Amino acid sequence: LAKTTQPISMDSYEGQEVNITCSHNNIATNDYITWYQQFPSQGPRFIIQGYKTKVTNEVASLFIPADRKSSTLSLPRVSLSDTAVYYCLVGGRSNDYKLSFGAGTTVTVRA
Amino acid sequence: EAGVTQFPSHSVIEKGQTVTLRCDPISGHDNLYWYRRVMGKEIKFLLHFVKESKQDESGMPNNRFLAERTGGTYSTLKVQPAELEDSGVYFCASSQTGTSGRADAYNEQFFGPGTRLTVL
Repeated sequence: LAKTTQPISMDSYEGQEVNITCSHNNIATNDYITWYQQFPSQGPRFIIQGYKTKVTNEVASLFIPADRKSSTLSLPRVSLSDTAVYYCLVGGRSNDYKLSFGAGTTVTVRA
Repeated sequence: EAGVTQFPSHSVIEKGQTVTLRCDPISGHDNLYWYRRVMGKEIKFLLHFVKESKQDESGMPNNRFLAERTGGTYSTLKVQPAELEDSGVYFCASSQTGTSGRADAYNEQFFGPGTRLTVL
């Protein structure tokens, strides 16, 4: 499984955009990039997944450059309820069913 | 649609006792996973069921842990006897089978709220 590196923590204010960059230099050709979100006292929740370029859904956007050695999760106009831990995971969709969580990035949104 | 549920939400036991955790996956999900986070560590994979069969139990820490999924529905994870280092949060997750006919890691996994186990 490709190792990922992401900041331990980030602080933001309500209404701002939060961008979390994850490095995955050893990403394999068939690997996808997936982000999970975890609120206190809850299990992780899938946010978004992508392979290349840009993916957008109702929660976030995921930007992946051409070399795929990093990716950026973008949370637009955050609110207090976006305070959570965000995990970047990299792996193949075909045979790696074990999710490998790192330390994640703790995002704290302040009023 | 109901999500993944886990019971109990909290369990406090003494060292040497037995505890059984239960997980009810989303209806229709063939894949069921157990993960855990022990104190100060990252969430780690324990094992994976496809229906009632154990597909991979490589993450199980030792033979004090026994997981079952009779009938391919709910699953139990028994710790016997419990040790202090077993304290942590145990998560269960479920997913559908991917288009390839087997579980895809990134075929979205749905997690339960976890069971917080404290061994004194």
